[in-house]
Amino acid sequence: NAGVTQTPKFQVLKTGQSMTLQCAQDMNHEYMSWYRQDPGMGLRLIHYSVGAGITDQGEVPNGYNVSRSTTEDFPLRLLSAAPSQTSVYFCASSYRTTSGVGNEQFFGPGTRLTVL
Amino acid sequence: KQEVTQIPAALSVPEGENLVLNCSFTDSAIYNLQWFRQDPGKGLTSLLLIQSSQREQTSGRLNASLDKSSGRSTLYIAASQPGDSATYLCAAPNTGFQKLVFGTGTRLLVSP
Repeated sequence: NAGVTQTPKFQVLKTGQSMTLQCAQDMNHEYMSWYRQDPGMGLRLIHYSVGAGITDQGEVPNGYNVSRSTTEDFPLRLLSAAPSQTSVYFCASSYRTTSGVGNEQFFGPGTRLTVL
Repeated sequence: KQEVTQIPAALSVPEGENLVLNCSFTDSAIYNLQWFRQDPGKGLTSLLLIQSSQREQTSGRLNASLDKSSGRSTLYIAASQPGDSATYLCAAPNTGFQKLVFGTGTRLLVSP
């Protein structure tokens, strides 16, 4: 298994540009999430999904869109990039136990994004 | 709202020492708590997951404990090695099992 994969690894954008960060997992996990990591602030949840067709907002959703058309993929879209979105973005996934509770989360290698 | 705090922010020890990293959380109604390791410029590697019904979880030289009543978890590293140098993060769910709240981490340096 490849686990959680993210592309690209690095990206530089100009203010106002849009782009999509790709995330895929091959573990058949129902739960997927996007986090951003900023110095001194730790990781913060942007959006998450509990299954195909179901998404919800996390702590810092503004400026980002997500969709989940398949179990495997969970892309993150930046609509109009701003310098404040310069960060490292991590995608994570986990399976659901029979009780409905999420379990151990596995993270991708991250995408380092710079917005000029 | 869940808040997670890690103390100390940085720790420097000589090789061979046993050490304890601390994590505290404000909402004790958690399903589980997870410890991660992050090397510079890399992603997060899951170290240990403690379910709410457990008090301890062990993996090799690592032992994590969970005390929900006091809102604390500790990560014990035995016989530390230079390869243990990294940032250690703990994360607890926020009003739901999927939405992790992270501490800002403890940066560990183990000197030969």
